[in-house]
Amino acid sequence: EAGVAQSPRYKIIEKRQSVAFWCNPISGHATLYWYQQILGQGPKLLIQFQNNGVVDDSQLPKDRFSAERLKGVDSTLKIQPAKLEDSAVYLCASSLGGGLTYEQYFGPGTRLTVT
Amino acid sequence: AQSVTQLGSHVSVSEGALVLLRCNYSSSVPPYLFWYVQYPNQGLQLLLKYTTGATLVKGINGFEAEFKKSETSFHLTKPSAHMSDAAEYFCAVKGPGNQFYFGTGTSLTVIP
Repeated sequence: EAGVAQSPRYKIIEKRQSVAFWCNPISGHATLYWYQQILGQGPKLLIQFQNNGVVDDSQLPKDRFSAERLKGVDSTLKIQPAKLEDSAVYLCASSLGGGLTYEQYFGPGTRLTVT
Repeated sequence: AQSVTQLGSHVSVSEGALVLLRCNYSSSVPPYLFWYVQYPNQGLQLLLKYTTGATLVKGINGFEAEFKKSETSFHLTKPSAHMSDAAEYFCAVKGPGNQFYFGTGTSLTVIP
């Protein structure tokens, strides 16, 4: 089966600019996650969707970050305006949701550099 | 609250030697624990997981981990390191709402 797809793989922008990342989860996966991974740190959950509803966005900086998952499939994460400290790898993951599997499948990530 | 502590941000072992990566957790609910591996410029890949049942869990690539409730630990081991094991390893604990809380990672270097 196809894995989690993300694009772009790399993005360089100047501070105060806007950027958007796209994620296509594994087909049939109800749960989708966006993580921020700063260099030298573990992934930090930004937002979790169950189908097209938000389950947890407590760590999403809502003044500049937004995310949507229209139709419960693809998702887009946006940063507007970007700050230097937003430089990180943004990982998307998906899981079936429910049951005892809880296994998350990760995409390759988008490396964002803010200059 | 859930959290994970990985002791040792960098671990070096010789090829063929035992690999031991340490993970201690804190959880307000019965813990579900995971180890992930991340190769350069790639996403995370699940190595193994503990949910319930047997406390010694076997994963891919010869790795295994043992859940020790009394020590709140879930250390990752492999009897014999291979050059291809060089990567970043993350321990994670699942929260009540299916959120995952990751440790800061351990970078494994394998010396030929």
